[in-house]
Amino acid sequence: EPEVTQTPSHQVTQMGQEVILRCVPISNHLYFYWYRQILGQKVEFLVSFYNNEISEKSEIFDDQFSVERPDGSNFTLKIRSTKLEDSAMYFCASSEGEGSFYEQYFGPGTRLTVT
Amino acid sequence: LAKTTQPISMDSYEGQEVNITCSHNNIATNDYITWYQQFPSQGPRFIIQGYKTKVTNEVASLFIPADRKSSTLSLPRVSLSDTAVYYCLVGVMDSSYKLIFGSGTRLLVRP
Repeated sequence: EPEVTQTPSHQVTQMGQEVILRCVPISNHLYFYWYRQILGQKVEFLVSFYNNEISEKSEIFDDQFSVERPDGSNFTLKIRSTKLEDSAMYFCASSEGEGSFYEQYFGPGTRLTVT
Repeated sequence: LAKTTQPISMDSYEGQEVNITCSHNNIATNDYITWYQQFPSQGPRFIIQGYKTKVTNEVASLFIPADRKSSTLSLPRVSLSDTAVYYCLVGVMDSSYKLIFGSGTRLLVRP
């Protein structure tokens, strides 16, 4: 069964450093998402991406965040200058279409620890 | 402010039916309601999805009243392996369209 993969599984970085989280969505999917989950809290939507453009973003997704699909397979989330409060699990997801009708397939997540 | 709320936790015993409700007052008109299951240190996994009335698949049922402002996930005859956090996911209209996960319900199934 096809699956979404994410690397690294755990990233430790110092405050103020840039990090790039990587995701490989399911190959025939067209819509890609990033979510964040702070330890013990609910999953929060960050951004959705289609056709090389951001289609929706939340208030959390400020100027420190950016997304990119640098090639035909990878989908990345960059945090330019990490803060302590960016420590969380980051999940990538992909779907065939946009909106709640289409099932989103989630990756295993990257645990980001900012020290 | 759009909110999607669920009970924080529920306890059950093996073999019982469990019903978890999510309230979503601001659900967007054409949006579907989706439920996900999450185990520790894993990404959410799709369980079931519906638009109105009742939907059933091999693992769960989903009940959605006519006003669609809430939904109830029903897990028949739960087992220990159903211990997980359950989330509803809906699109809501606030100042703009947003996809919002519910607050999550931590289900503990006891032997």
